Amino acid sequence: KAGVTQTPRYLIKTRGQQVTLSCSPISGHRSVSWYQQTPGQGLQFLFEYFSETQRNKGNFPGRFSGRQFSNSRSEMNVSTLELGDSALYLCASSFRDRRDNEQFFGPGTRLTVL
Amino acid sequence: GQQVMQIPQYQHVQEGEDFTTYCNSSTTLSNIQWYKQRPGGHPVFLIQLVKSGEVKKQKRLTFQFGEAKKNSSLHITATQTTDVGTYFCAGPFYGQNFVFGPGTRLSVLP
Repeated sequence: KAGVTQTPRYLIKTRGQQVTLSCSPISGHRSVSWYQQTPGQGLQFLFEYFSETQRNKGNFPGRFSGRQFSNSRSEMNVSTLELGDSALYLCASSFRDRRDNEQFFGPGTRLTVL
Repeated sequence: GQQVMQIPQYQHVQEGEDFTTYCNSSTTLSNIQWYKQRPGGHPVFLIQLVKSGEVKKQKRLTFQFGEAKKNSSLHITATQTTDVGTYFCAGPFYGQNFVFGPGTRLSVLP
């Protein structure tokens, strides 16, 4: 079974631009969560989508948004990029409707904002 | 606020020594998960603990969930260089899916 895939793997943007990151979950997984990982703040939860609906949202500004498609693929968008948005963005998929909702992480997208 | 804390932040051990990382939650958890992230890699699920006082073993790794379900520990016996990485605990909090601790970075000197 193929793992979680994320594209692109690396991205360089400048302040003020916007960016869209993509995540394809493991086949059959309906939940996709997004996390931001930085050396200073660690792993921080952005949002979770299940069956195309946002189920949970972390404490991030409205510049961070996401969506999920009918095939469970998910995208996250960051508008008006700031230097502090430089981070590794990880997505994780899970069955969600099972008690043991182990999360499977993708390799991440390394975003650098100049 | 909803917090998950871990200590120590860093641990350097000689190969063959034991290692323990501790995780504490600000509130009672329904379950707790542990993940390992190798340098340059992504977090990989290790285990989930659900019951109060639960102890689970995976070869040289022993995981424990506290009686009050607010703390947990991961103990590695006789560390090897393959154990290098950052170990995270994570707990489910209402409205936030899982909240991760800051992690304990383990380095093993050969």
